[in-house]
Amino acid sequence: AQSVTQLDSQVPVFEEAPVELRCNYSSSVSVYLFWYVQYPNQGLQLLLKYLSGSTLVKGINGFEAEFNKSQTSFHLRKPSVHISDTAEYFCAVILLTGGGNKLTFGTGTQLKVEL
Amino acid sequence: EPEVTQTPSHQVTQMGQEVILRCVPISNHLYFYWYRQILGQKVEFLVSFYNNEISEKSEIFDDQFSVERPDGSNFTLKIRSTKLEDSAMYFCATAGGGSTIYFGEGSWLTVV
Repeated sequence: AQSVTQLDSQVPVFEEAPVELRCNYSSSVSVYLFWYVQYPNQGLQLLLKYLSGSTLVKGINGFEAEFNKSQTSFHLRKPSVHISDTAEYFCAVILLTGGGNKLTFGTGTQLKVEL
Repeated sequence: EPEVTQTPSHQVTQMGQEVILRCVPISNHLYFYWYRQILGQKVEFLVSFYNNEISEKSEIFDDQFSVERPDGSNFTLKIRSTKLEDSAMYFCATAGGGSTIYFGEGSWLTVV
C-alpha cells in the first residue's frame, strides 16, 4: 500500500521568512512525486515534480523540493515567502506499476503568510 | 497554457436528484480522471478513464457514479441519486500519457 503523509496541517510564517513543508511517502515500488498548490476557491496547480535524475527540483514561484530516497521524503521549500503564497499545498505520488497514472494526495498543509 | 475546463462551477441540487458534471479535457489528452475534495479534507481519487473505458476506480465510486465521453470531447461524471455526503468539490483531470496531470478549476456540488 502507498500513502503520503504531510506532517503539518498548518504552517504560519512571516513574510520574507523561509519555509519548509514536509512530505513523506511510503511505497514498495518506485514513485513519481509532485507538489500541487490550491489557492482559495481555485483548482489545483502543479508547483513541481520529481520523476528521475537530480534530486533537487525547482518549480514555479521560487519553490523547490528535494527527493530523499533513504528518508522517503520530498519536502517543499522556499527561501523567502510572500503574502501571495498563502494557500493549501498538497504533496502527491504516482506509483510506477505500469498502470494508469493515479495520483494519491496527502492531507494538505495550509501555509499562512503573515506580515 | 492549455486548460481543463469544467462546468458548472457551482451547482446546488436536492437530495435524490441526478447531477452531471462536465469536463472539456486538454486537446490530444488520452487519460481522464475525476477526483473529489470534501470541504476541509484531502483530494481523493474517484476514477480513471482511458480508451473509452474505466481503467481504475476507488471504493468511493459506487453504482451511483458513472463516467462517459458521449461525444468524444466532453468527459462527464454522473451521480444518479445524490446524497448529502456527495457535497464536495469535484475535479476533472487529464493527462497526455506523460507524468503530468492537469486539473480543472473544479465544480462545487452542494446537495441540500
